[in-house]
Amino acid sequence: QVQLRESGPGLVRPSETLSLICTVSGGSITSSRSFWAWIRQPPGKGLEWVGIISPGGSTYSNSSFNSRLTMSVDTSKNQFSLRLSSVTATDTAVYYCARRVVNYFDFWGQGTLVTVSS
Amino acid sequence: NFMLTQPHSVSESPGKTITISCTGSSGSIASNYVQWYQQRPGSAPIIVIYEDDQRPSGVPDRFSGSIDRSSNSASLTISGLKTEDEADYYCQSYGSDNYVFGTGTRVSVL
Repeated sequence: QVQLRESGPGLVRPSETLSLICTVSGGSITSSRSFWAWIRQPPGKGLEWVGIISPGGSTYSNSSFNSRLTMSVDTSKNQFSLRLSSVTATDTAVYYCARRVVNYFDFWGQGTLVTVSS
Repeated sequence: NFMLTQPHSVSESPGKTITISCTGSSGSIASNYVQWYQQRPGSAPIIVIYEDDQRPSGVPDRFSGSIDRSSNSASLTISGLKTEDEADYYCQSYGSDNYVFGTGTRVSVL
């Protein structure tokens, strides 16, 4: 069974860059049909898709993030990562990584809370 | 932008049946598959229905999904409600080059 785990700082200062890593276990990040996604959930609110990356490094992101979002994949470590620049308090959320097959997300990490505050 | 709207909350007694709707803002909801996720407090979402009406292994057959083209909506039906079904439920689809989640429905089992 595929498992995902998010890691990274729980506190980020306003205007700085939020960086998270997702480690995949129980399966290869290069497996066919699998893309890898970031989804976030502000406290007490709903889910918001952030972006997605293929094992080859092709990325697709929510247009609301414009150029603030960078994603990458490290197949040697079975990891993928997210960087969100110029953060504000509205970026405070639980960030989930997940596997996408076809058009849905079948395996999710436990989530990590990132708070943007000075 | 494409949006999916759900009722804010649904409450029912154990053993009863509920249906949660998910209405698309534009286009045809049947153009892309709809998924449903269950999220219990403090936990990550888990998928309970994919591709409109398919149930992943391990999900009880009390959960079923459907599409109603006439109302441009999808529905999740939970029959024989149990206290363990108390959670937030989100629909999800794809539109305007984005993966879109519904607004979420809080299910309370009284």
